[in-house]
Amino acid sequence: DSGVTQTPKHLITATGQRVTLRCSPRSGDLSVYWYQQSLDQGLQFLIQYYNGEERAKGNILERFSAQQFPDLHSELNLSSLELGDSALYFCASSVEGAGVAGELFFGEGSRLTVL
Amino acid sequence: AQRVTQPEKLLSVFKGAPVELKCNYSYSGSPELFWYVQYSRQRLQLLLRHISRESIKGFTADLNKGETSFHLKKPFAQEEDSAMYYCALRGGGSNYQLIWGAGTKLIIKP
Repeated sequence: DSGVTQTPKHLITATGQRVTLRCSPRSGDLSVYWYQQSLDQGLQFLIQYYNGEERAKGNILERFSAQQFPDLHSELNLSSLELGDSALYFCASSVEGAGVAGELFFGEGSRLTVL
Repeated sequence: AQRVTQPEKLLSVFKGAPVELKCNYSYSGSPELFWYVQYSRQRLQLLLRHISRESIKGFTADLNKGETSFHLKKPFAQEEDSAMYYCALRGGGSNYQLIWGAGTKLIIKP
Protein backbone atom coordinates (compact mmCIF):
# COMPACT_ATOMS: atom_id res chain seq x y z
CA ASP A 1 0.00 0.00 0.00
CA SER A 2 1.57 3.26 -1.11
CA GLY A 3 -0.89 5.39 0.80
CA VAL A 4 -0.46 7.09 4.14
CA THR A 5 0.10 4.57 6.89
CA GLN A 6 -0.32 5.18 10.59
CA THR A 7 0.62 3.06 13.56
CA PRO A 8 -0.68 1.99 15.94
CA LYS A 9 -4.33 1.80 14.90
CA HIS A 10 -5.49 1.64 18.50
CA LEU A 11 -3.79 2.58 21.72
CA ILE A 12 -5.04 2.45 25.29
CA THR A 13 -3.00 4.04 28.02
CA ALA A 14 -3.30 5.73 31.39
CA THR A 15 -3.27 9.34 32.43
CA GLY A 16 0.19 10.77 32.86
CA GLN A 17 1.73 8.44 30.33
CA ARG A 18 3.49 9.25 27.07
CA VAL A 19 2.78 7.78 23.65
CA THR A 20 4.23 8.09 20.18
CA LEU A 21 2.16 7.92 17.03
CA ARG A 22 3.86 7.21 13.76
CA CYS A 23 3.01 8.22 10.22
CA SER A 24 4.52 7.30 6.87
CA PRO A 25 3.44 9.63 4.07
CA ARG A 26 2.62 8.64 0.53
CA SER A 27 5.63 8.02 -1.63
CA GLY A 28 6.89 11.35 -2.93
CA ASP A 29 4.89 13.54 -0.55
CA LEU A 30 7.05 15.97 1.38
CA SER A 31 4.42 17.44 3.68
CA VAL A 32 2.95 15.72 6.69
CA TYR A 33 0.05 17.10 8.71
CA TRP A 34 -1.28 15.98 12.07
CA TYR A 35 -4.91 16.41 13.04
CA GLN A 36 -6.91 15.61 16.14
CA GLN A 37 -10.54 14.56 15.93
CA SER A 38 -12.32 14.38 19.26
CA LEU A 39 -15.83 13.13 19.86
CA ASP A 40 -18.38 15.49 18.34
CA GLN A 41 -15.66 17.80 17.10
CA GLY A 42 -14.28 18.36 13.67
CA LEU A 43 -10.73 18.17 12.56
CA GLN A 44 -8.35 20.23 14.64
CA PHE A 45 -5.09 20.99 12.89
CA LEU A 46 -2.11 20.33 15.11
CA ILE A 47 1.06 20.78 13.12
CA GLN A 48 2.60 20.48 9.66
CA TYR A 49 6.07 19.46 8.58
CA TYR A 50 7.57 19.96 5.17
CA ASN A 51 10.69 18.09 4.17
CA GLY A 52 11.85 17.77 7.74
CA GLU A 53 11.06 21.26 8.94
CA GLU A 54 8.12 22.60 10.86
CA ARG A 55 5.94 24.58 8.44
CA ALA A 56 2.88 25.55 10.45
CA LYS A 57 1.48 25.12 13.90
CA GLY A 58 -2.13 24.91 14.88
CA ASN A 59 -3.81 24.18 18.18
CA ILE A 60 -1.10 21.92 19.47
CA LEU A 61 -0.60 21.69 23.20
CA GLU A 62 2.82 22.17 24.74
CA ARG A 63 2.61 18.59 25.98
CA PHE A 64 2.55 17.47 22.36
CA SER A 65 5.45 17.55 19.96
CA ALA A 66 6.21 16.20 16.54
CA GLN A 67 9.04 15.73 14.14
CA GLN A 68 9.68 14.61 10.61
CA PHE A 69 12.68 12.43 9.92
CA PRO A 70 15.02 12.38 6.89
CA ASP A 71 13.06 9.47 5.41
CA LEU A 72 9.99 11.76 5.69
CA HIS A 73 8.10 9.68 8.21
CA SER A 74 6.74 11.64 11.13
CA GLU A 75 6.07 11.01 14.78
CA LEU A 76 3.66 12.76 17.10
CA ASN A 77 4.59 12.55 20.75
CA LEU A 78 1.91 13.05 23.35
CA SER A 79 3.04 13.31 26.96
CA SER A 80 1.47 13.76 30.39
CA LEU A 81 -1.68 12.40 28.89
CA GLU A 82 -5.04 13.53 30.17
CA LEU A 83 -8.48 12.03 29.73
CA GLY A 84 -9.33 14.79 27.28
CA ASP A 85 -6.55 13.70 24.95
CA SER A 86 -8.60 10.67 23.99
CA ALA A 87 -9.26 11.16 20.30
CA LEU A 88 -8.60 9.98 16.80
CA TYR A 89 -5.32 11.34 15.51
CA PHE A 90 -5.00 11.61 11.78
CA CYS A 91 -1.94 12.04 9.68
CA ALA A 92 -2.17 13.38 6.15
CA SER A 93 0.37 14.01 3.45
CA SER A 94 0.47 16.13 0.35
CA VAL A 95 2.61 17.15 -2.54
CA GLU A 96 3.39 20.82 -2.40
CA GLY A 97 4.48 23.13 -5.13
CA ALA A 98 3.22 25.67 -7.60
CA GLY A 99 -0.15 24.80 -9.02
CA VAL A 100 -0.98 22.12 -6.47
CA ALA A 101 -4.62 22.25 -5.54
CA GLY A 102 -4.11 21.30 -1.94
CA GLU A 103 -5.36 17.74 -1.85
CA LEU A 104 -4.49 15.94 1.35
CA PHE A 105 -4.23 12.18 1.55
CA PHE A 106 -5.21 10.83 4.93
CA GLY A 107 -4.22 7.83 6.92
CA GLU A 108 -6.74 5.67 8.74
CA GLY A 109 -5.95 7.34 12.03
CA SER A 110 -4.70 6.23 15.42
CA ARG A 111 -7.38 5.96 18.06
CA LEU A 112 -6.01 6.92 21.45
CA THR A 113 -7.92 6.11 24.60
CA VAL A 114 -6.67 7.53 27.88
CA LEU A 115 -8.08 5.88 30.99
CA ALA B 1 -10.14 35.91 10.00
CA GLN B 2 -10.37 32.83 7.86
CA ARG B 3 -13.24 30.62 8.86
CA VAL B 4 -15.38 27.83 7.47
CA THR B 5 -18.84 27.29 8.88
CA GLN B 6 -20.96 24.21 8.41
CA PRO B 7 -24.12 25.10 10.26
CA GLU B 8 -25.60 21.60 10.38
CA LYS B 9 -23.95 18.96 12.55
CA LEU B 10 -26.43 16.40 11.36
CA LEU B 11 -28.56 16.19 8.25
CA SER B 12 -31.00 13.38 7.70
CA VAL B 13 -32.90 12.93 4.43
CA PHE B 14 -34.78 10.12 2.73
CA LYS B 15 -33.34 8.16 -0.16
CA GLY B 16 -34.21 9.83 -3.43
CA ALA B 17 -34.64 13.26 -1.87
CA PRO B 18 -32.38 16.18 -2.75
CA VAL B 19 -29.45 16.90 -0.48
CA GLU B 20 -27.77 20.19 0.28
CA LEU B 21 -24.93 20.43 2.77
CA LYS B 22 -24.20 24.02 3.61
CA CYS B 23 -20.78 25.60 3.79
CA ASN B 24 -20.08 29.27 4.35
CA TYR B 25 -16.67 30.80 4.51
CA SER B 26 -14.95 33.96 5.60
CA TYR B 27 -11.90 34.95 3.59
CA SER B 28 -10.81 38.24 2.15
CA GLY B 29 -9.06 36.98 -0.96
CA SER B 30 -9.80 34.32 -3.55
CA PRO B 31 -9.96 31.00 -1.75
CA GLU B 32 -9.90 27.48 -2.99
CA LEU B 33 -12.74 25.42 -1.60
CA PHE B 34 -12.92 21.68 -1.13
CA TRP B 35 -15.31 19.05 0.09
CA TYR B 36 -13.86 16.02 1.83
CA VAL B 37 -15.86 12.93 2.78
CA GLN B 38 -15.36 10.20 5.32
CA TYR B 39 -17.42 7.07 4.79
CA SER B 40 -17.85 4.65 7.66
CA ARG B 41 -14.59 2.81 8.37
CA GLN B 42 -12.82 4.56 5.51
CA ARG B 43 -10.23 7.29 5.26
CA LEU B 44 -11.08 10.90 4.88
CA GLN B 45 -10.79 11.63 1.18
CA LEU B 46 -11.24 14.46 -1.24
CA LEU B 47 -14.69 14.53 -2.84
CA LEU B 48 -14.41 17.57 -5.02
CA ARG B 49 -12.76 20.95 -5.38
CA HIS B 50 -14.31 24.09 -6.80
CA ILE B 51 -11.60 24.78 -9.35
CA SER B 52 -12.31 21.48 -11.10
CA ARG B 53 -15.99 22.24 -11.58
CA GLU B 54 -16.63 18.51 -11.60
CA SER B 55 -19.41 16.27 -10.46
CA ILE B 56 -18.32 13.37 -8.30
CA LYS B 57 -20.76 10.62 -7.32
CA GLY B 58 -23.55 12.94 -8.43
CA PHE B 59 -22.45 15.72 -6.10
CA THR B 60 -21.76 19.25 -7.27
CA ALA B 61 -20.72 22.40 -5.46
CA ASP B 62 -20.67 25.91 -6.80
CA LEU B 63 -18.58 28.65 -5.30
CA ASN B 64 -20.76 31.69 -4.69
CA LYS B 65 -18.43 34.55 -3.89
CA GLY B 66 -21.27 36.98 -3.30
CA GLU B 67 -22.76 34.80 -0.60
CA THR B 68 -19.37 33.34 0.40
CA SER B 69 -20.81 29.87 0.16
CA PHE B 70 -19.81 26.52 -1.28
CA HIS B 71 -22.81 24.31 -0.68
CA LEU B 72 -22.67 20.65 -1.68
CA LYS B 73 -25.68 19.38 -3.58
CA LYS B 74 -27.04 16.17 -4.97
CA PRO B 75 -30.46 15.93 -6.61
CA PHE B 76 -31.27 12.37 -5.51
CA ALA B 77 -29.66 11.00 -2.36
CA GLN B 78 -28.55 7.38 -2.18
CA GLU B 79 -27.98 5.30 0.93
CA GLU B 80 -24.27 5.03 0.18
CA ASP B 81 -24.00 8.80 0.50
CA SER B 82 -24.29 8.46 4.28
CA ALA B 83 -21.01 9.81 5.60
CA MET B 84 -19.31 12.69 7.34
CA TYR B 85 -18.70 15.65 5.06
CA TYR B 86 -16.15 18.38 5.67
CA CYS B 87 -15.84 21.67 3.86
CA ALA B 88 -12.34 23.17 3.71
CA LEU B 89 -10.77 26.37 2.49
CA ARG B 90 -7.27 27.03 1.30
CA GLY B 91 -5.97 30.54 1.16
CA GLY B 92 -3.92 31.87 -1.67
CA GLY B 93 -0.21 32.27 -2.16
CA SER B 94 2.21 29.89 -0.55
CA ASN B 95 -0.06 29.12 2.39
CA TYR B 96 -1.13 25.56 1.88
CA GLN B 97 -3.02 25.28 5.12
CA LEU B 98 -6.56 24.09 4.95
CA ILE B 99 -9.14 25.68 7.20
CA TRP B 100 -11.76 23.08 8.09
CA GLY B 101 -15.41 23.27 8.92
CA ALA B 102 -16.76 21.25 11.82
CA GLY B 103 -18.32 18.70 9.51
CA THR B 104 -21.85 17.55 8.77
CA LYS B 105 -22.99 14.00 9.31
CA LEU B 106 -25.30 13.01 6.49
CA ILE B 107 -27.70 10.15 7.09
CA ILE B 108 -29.75 8.82 4.21
CA LYS B 109 -32.84 7.01 5.40
CA PRO B 110 -34.20 4.14 3.31
